[in-house]
Amino acid sequence: DVKVTQSSRYLVKRTGEKVFLECVQDMDHENMFWYRQDPGLGLRLIYFSYDVKMKEKGDIPEGYSVSREKKERFSLILESASTNQTSMYLCASSLVGRYTGELFFGEGSRLTVL
Amino acid sequence: QKEVEQNSGPLSVPEGAIASLNCTYSDRGSQSFFWYRQYSGKSPELIMFIYSNGDKEDGRFTAQLNKASQYVSLLIRDSQPSDSATYLCAVKAVTGNQFYFGTGTSLTVIP
Repeated sequence: DVKVTQSSRYLVKRTGEKVFLECVQDMDHENMFWYRQDPGLGLRLIYFSYDVKMKEKGDIPEGYSVSREKKERFSLILESASTNQTSMYLCASSLVGRYTGELFFGEGSRLTVL
Repeated sequence: QKEVEQNSGPLSVPEGAIASLNCTYSDRGSQSFFWYRQYSGKSPELIMFIYSNGDKEDGRFTAQLNKASQYVSLLIRDSQPSDSATYLCAVKAVTGNQFYFGTGTSLTVIP
């Protein structure tokens, strides 16, 4: 069974803290993504990676960075957490290809920044 | 930014009825279209994808694509209370590997 695992389901952090969200997939997928989901705004892409050490900005990269040192692992980093980063964070992976593209999602990490 | 638009709902249908969910997209060159279902508190899961104009059926679900009009729809026949969820339309970018999501339509099937 395919699996995308996010390290933490629920986190509570304080403003200014550095936050790491980890994501691991076991499907040997080239592409990995980080989204945030907020009511009324849907899923918004933060960053994605199409290969090890490669990354591209999505629609809302400000305040975030990412790391992909191994194919199976994609980390999202909040350098200095702020209250407007309180959200549900979803990691996903997919195969490369023009017509392929099913996204497999992790269970999500709900982050609260106080 | 590529736009994907959905009616947010909520959409309510009685059990056994047909639920119709619609989605429009702005990038005329888009090739791949997906419908995800998301239960409350859960992550999205794929229920249908479609690449070609016309209809694609899978059990009680039918995806319809009209590239000329830039819309894609999802029909759920014989709706069940277990179909109550938010349905997300996603469009894959023409270049690169990005996916663009609509904000989702909330569906409630009333027993």
